[in-house]
Amino acid sequence: AQSVTQLDSQVPVFEEAPVELRCNYSSSVSVYLFWYVQYPNQGLQLLLKYLSGSTLVESINGFEAEFNKSQTSFHLRKPSVHISDTAEYFCAVRETSYDKVIFGPGTSLSVIP
Amino acid sequence: DAGVIQSPRHEVTEMGQEVTLRCKPISGHNSLFWYRQTMMRGLELLIYFNNNVPIDDSGMPEDRFSAKMPNASFSTLKIQPSEPRDSAVYFCASSWGQGGNEKLFFGSGTQLSVL
Repeated sequence: AQSVTQLDSQVPVFEEAPVELRCNYSSSVSVYLFWYVQYPNQGLQLLLKYLSGSTLVESINGFEAEFNKSQTSFHLRKPSVHISDTAEYFCAVRETSYDKVIFGPGTSLSVIP
Repeated sequence: DAGVIQSPRHEVTEMGQEVTLRCKPISGHNSLFWYRQTMMRGLELLIYFNNNVPIDDSGMPEDRFSAKMPNASFSTLKIQPSEPRDSAVYFCASSWGQGGNEKLFFGSGTQLSVL
């Protein structure tokens, strides 16, 4: 069975500082990996995804994540955060041959002015 | 496309009453998911359908919960009877689950409060 761990439930960070949100997963088969973002009172939106190929994937708003198969990790990073990045971030995993998507518990990112 | 549409946006009911949540997925999508979000348990997958057929309902908490997808454009999640511990935000999501387009599209959710 798949599972997703996000060790940090809350991450406060000052504006323009770098941030890393950690994600580890467990699965016995090949997986796709995702980061979703949830702004207050809204549904989740896809931030970026890893399906295959380059292990470093980027989003249009400056976030990046690197797939590390040996460490079963998919950490999310941004070199300089903005106030507008304040949101809940969810890591998710899906087996390549199955539609079921499992989400981690989420990390609340708070950017401090 | 209007995206995934959920109704109602908010539902307040009394313990013991029947609650029905509705979802219209994005046209052309062949997978539909129901999730429940709470502070304590995070985002839990309740059930998902592929081509209108329930594939995995292992996340449905108990027999009080049931879900149907009578056609490709409509799904319901029913709770009968409802209990206060069912209070949560219920999200519906859809996707085109094959090939490289693996993105889930979420609705705005239904905020359920059972008093």
